[in-house]
Amino acid sequence: EPEVTQTPSHQVTQMGQEVILRCVPISNHLYFYWYRQILGQKVEFLVSFYNNEISEKSEIFDDQFSVERPDGSNFTLKIRSTKLEDSAMYFCASSESGGYLWKLFFGSGTQLSVL
Amino acid sequence: AQTVTQSQPEMSVQEAETVTLSCTYDTSENNYYLFWYKQPPSRQMILVIRQEAYKQQNATENRFSVNFQKAAKSFSLKISDSQLGDTAMYFCAFGVMDSNYQLIWGAGTKLIIKP
Repeated sequence: EPEVTQTPSHQVTQMGQEVILRCVPISNHLYFYWYRQILGQKVEFLVSFYNNEISEKSEIFDDQFSVERPDGSNFTLKIRSTKLEDSAMYFCASSESGGYLWKLFFGSGTQLSVL
Repeated sequence: AQTVTQSQPEMSVQEAETVTLSCTYDTSENNYYLFWYKQPPSRQMILVIRQEAYKQQNATENRFSVNFQKAAKSFSLKISDSQLGDTAMYFCAFGVMDSNYQLIWGAGTKLIIKP
């Protein structure tokens, strides 16, 4: 069964460093998302991406964050200068379409630890 | 603002029993989706079941079924013949059917299936 793949599974970085989290969505999917889950808190929406541009972003997704689909398969989340409060599990998700067929499939997540 | 509330932080049942997890939501929208996701200790987010708000019939997926009460804004998950592998966090999530397709999440219910 096709699945969303995220790498790395764990990332440790120093405060102020840049990190890139990588995702390979399911191949025929058109909509891509990033969510995060701080330990013990609700899952939070960060950004949605469709047709090579951001469709929607939350207040969390400030200028320190960016997303990119550099080729036909990868979808990346970059945090330019990490803060301690960026420590969280980051989930990538994709969906085949919107509308009545909307169904999100998630990856296994990247646990980001900012020291 | 749309919100999702899961009032049961933790539940435990014996293997083979039936368990119901509750979820309520608040929205003024008419067209939306509701989801239950399972997050096992591996922390992958796995789609369990989906309900379209325009459908009166409750969704079912094998041992998993929902009780969707649109007027009451209630969306409970019933797990029949529970198995040890059902032990996980269960998240209720809500999404409005528009071009942005972001999910709003509940805080989760930790379900423990005892042998």
